[in-house]
Amino acid sequence: GDSVTQTEGLVTLTEGLPVMLNCTYQSTYSPFLFWYVQHLNEAPKLLLKSFTDNKRPEHQGFHATLHKSSSSFHLQKSSAQLSDSALYYCAWVSGGSNYKLTFGKGTLLTVTP
Amino acid sequence: NSKVIQTPRYLVKGQGQKAKMRCIPEKGHPVVFWYQQNKNNEFKFLINFQNQEVLQQIDMTEKRFSAECPSNSPCSLEIQSSEAGDSALYLCASSLSGGANTEVFFGKGTRLTVV
Repeated sequence: GDSVTQTEGLVTLTEGLPVMLNCTYQSTYSPFLFWYVQHLNEAPKLLLKSFTDNKRPEHQGFHATLHKSSSSFHLQKSSAQLSDSALYYCAWVSGGSNYKLTFGKGTLLTVTP
Repeated sequence: NSKVIQTPRYLVKGQGQKAKMRCIPEKGHPVVFWYQQNKNNEFKFLINFQNQEVLQQIDMTEKRFSAECPSNSPCSLEIQSSEAGDSALYLCASSLSGGANTEVFFGKGTRLTVV
């Protein structure tokens, strides 16, 4: 069935280094892909989505490009900040009805000074 | 700040007890979701509604969980007989439509501990 696979577990980076969290999908049809971020004790929030009218989606310095050839939607940022420490989820919606947002297993990003 | 309001923030129940949590979706949002986030931070979809009608629900939800979104009242999720494995963060979310390109807004969740 349709699924997403993302960088799992814990990623620790030093402030100022680039961030790349992987997300690949397996789907019969191209799904709608998202990145959500959840800071400690906060609600998950949408960070990026894959469909932005031919523009590369960007938000808070993060960007992601949908590559259909490699079935990927990796999250990137050129320079990590301490405030980027959070849980990151790649999520997807199939093209079917009854909208259901499905999440990958999540990546805990910790940025250290 | 999240406009999806969930109460209570923390809930402690004994095994076999009922556990009920509530959610006020963002104003004007007819689509409501419930997710369970476990101790490994993994999300599990439980159920979603459009207005008062159930769109989808998983088997677990059908058996021990009940949920409703009555008009002019908060939505609710109730576990009829709590089990230790139900200990988790329960997240409510809402969106403006059921379309795949619609942003989903989450509340901060109700953290249930079953002792």
